[in-house]
Order: sequence, then C-alpha cells, then structure tokens
Amino acid sequence: QSVLTQPPSVSGAPGQRVTISCTGSGSNIGAGYDVHWYQQLPGTAPKLLIYGNSDRPSGVPDRFSGSKSGTSASLAISGLQAGDEADYYCQSYDSSLSASVFGGGTKLTVL
Amino acid sequence: QLQLQESGPGLVKPSETLSLTCTVSGGSISSNTYYWGWIRQPPGKGLEWIGSIYYSGSAYYNPSLKSRVTISVDTSKNQFSLRLSSATAADTAVYYCARHHWSGSYCYFDYWGQGTLVTVSS
Repeated sequence: QSVLTQPPSVSGAPGQRVTISCTGSGSNIGAGYDVHWYQQLPGTAPKLLIYGNSDRPSGVPDRFSGSKSGTSASLAISGLQAGDEADYYCQSYDSSLSASVFGGGTKLTVL
Repeated sequence: QLQLQESGPGLVKPSETLSLTCTVSGGSISSNTYYWGWIRQPPGKGLEWIGSIYYSGSAYYNPSLKSRVTISVDTSKNQFSLRLSSATAADTAVYYCARHHWSGSYCYFDYWGQGTLVTVSS
C-alpha cells in the first residue's frame, strides 16, 4: 500500500478535463513537502510533468496543471488528447520514513 | 542535453548481488546542486525509490531496502552504481537511474534513464 493514495483509474473523452487526486498525511504533503507529478507513457520511462506542486518544466503544455491543499494534491489535464493516455504518479517526501515516496499510480484512459 | 544510461546484467540468480551502473552524459555528476538516484518498478506495478547519492559520496537509502543496498559514485567516470545484495524474485523490476533535485521542500527526479529490466531467476 502506497504512502500517497491515488485513484487506480480515471477516464475522459477527448477535449474534456480530468483531475487526478493524491492524498497524503501530516508527515509528507501535510508537512509542507512539495508534490511532483510524472507521466509514464506505455513502455517508457517516467517523465517529470509538474514539480513544486504547480510548476511545469520547459516543454510541458499548459493543459497540465497542479495544485496542493492541506494533505492532498491534484493534477488537472484539460483538452484531453489521445496521446495523454498514460500512467500518472504523484511523488513527495515523507519525514517519518525519511524517504522519497510515490503514489500507486493512476491510469488515464481517453475514451 | 543531460542523458542517463543504465547498464548491467539483465539476469541475476537468487541470493546473488544485483549490480547496475548509470553513466551520465551531457553534464557533470559533480554538480553541487543535485543528487543521483535509483528508482525501480516491478512489472505492472508502481515506482519505488531505492536511494540517492551526492557527488561527495553521501548516500541516502529507502529504509525498506537499506540493509541490502549500496550506492556509490565515480566522479572520474561520471557514473554512479547500485548494488542490491541477497536478491530474490521480488527484486525483479525495471531499474531507472535519475537526477534527483533535493533541497528543502523540493525532492523530485527531473531526468531519467530509459530503464533496464533485471530479472531474478535461477
């Protein structure tokens, strides 16, 4: 069981907006540690999508956005495209574990 | 453009030591800004941080693996390495190396290698 909890799957039609939640606790997200998001396309390495809760690396479209509140964070994807079908992972740091921790991952299906 | 490339045996026997090396190109591993980390992903499962190392040799490990893991760095070759002892089938995974930006509340992986599958089997 992952320290950060994500829904196993989400889906949406092309053009729609979906959100993926990431729920933590007082020793990670709630302790003030930033949340980061990764996109893993089938058969490829994870790619940094959002860092520092809401910042996008160069080259990541502004259709992807992140937010954080309390012990949770969210990734929003607007204007869904077929190419967005992938697994998405949140990640943070946990002070109780003294470890970098990942969510269990969410599979996005574009209908 | 920074690139990372994992290398090492794709098959390891149970109870033996899994050893991998990550070669960094397009940038120096001796940067005082970053750590260098290992992450693994069992087939069909999620990501697990194994540990990270600073160019000076200071290393930090996932407590769940700490007793079996050693990460080392060779700045002359711009490489860092992973050794995981007493391997079992549960260690079968794709192993990724990555640049680890770790400072204050920041702790994320911004450049990743392509990954290498290591199977533990007799």
